Amino acid sequence: DTAVSQTPKYLVTQMGNDKSIKCEQNLGHDTMYWYKQDSKKFLKIMFSYNNKELIINETVPNRFSPKSPDKAHLNLHINSLELGDSAVYFCASSPPGGENTEAFFGQGTRLTVV
Amino acid sequence: AQSVTQPDIHITVSEGASLELRCNYSYGATPYLFWYVQSPGQGLQLLLKYFSGDTLVQGIKGFEAEFKRSQSSFNLRKPSVHWSDAAEYFCAVGAAGRRALTFGSGTRLQVQP
Repeated sequence: DTAVSQTPKYLVTQMGNDKSIKCEQNLGHDTMYWYKQDSKKFLKIMFSYNNKELIINETVPNRFSPKSPDKAHLNLHINSLELGDSAVYFCASSPPGGENTEAFFGQGTRLTVV
Repeated sequence: AQSVTQPDIHITVSEGASLELRCNYSYGATPYLFWYVQSPGQGLQLLLKYFSGDTLVQGIKGFEAEFKRSQSSFNLRKPSVHWSDAAEYFCAVGAAGRRALTFGSGTRLQVQP
């Protein structure tokens, strides 16, 4: 199936741990994103990569580090997890063609920090 | 900076009734506008989008939206709601020079039998 896939779907971990979320898209897109959805369902952009280069880095703690080994992958590593990091993290991708293209979303990773 | 407001946090409609979800945006130039739907535990699926041209756009699942520049609005409509439409709906705006979307806070749609 062609899609944006994230692993894991659920992640429960203790405060202070380091964890990674992986994302892969097989749509041939050149731009990938990480969005965070908080407990009130509010979605906010965290990072955006275009052809493996970081193009958007919103006000995100530097404990969050994205890594794009190639155009099809964008992983998110989080150090020293805090309770406030609990959220659903969505990976997305967009095809080439400027700004006027929609984002295709993965299923999300629900991160719970205890 | 662009912003999106969805004034209705929660809407309940009866199955078969018509639906309108409101979306207002703030952006200095012509926006790129989107409606996404999120079913429980799922990712976001694009319903429709507006870039330019005809201000009434048709989407999937029988949805449509109308871009009104004078009102800075992009309301989503459906003439007859089905129980399967119960979900969270997000309006989003894209801006020139920025390859990321700004989302509204969402409207939760509940459908009564």
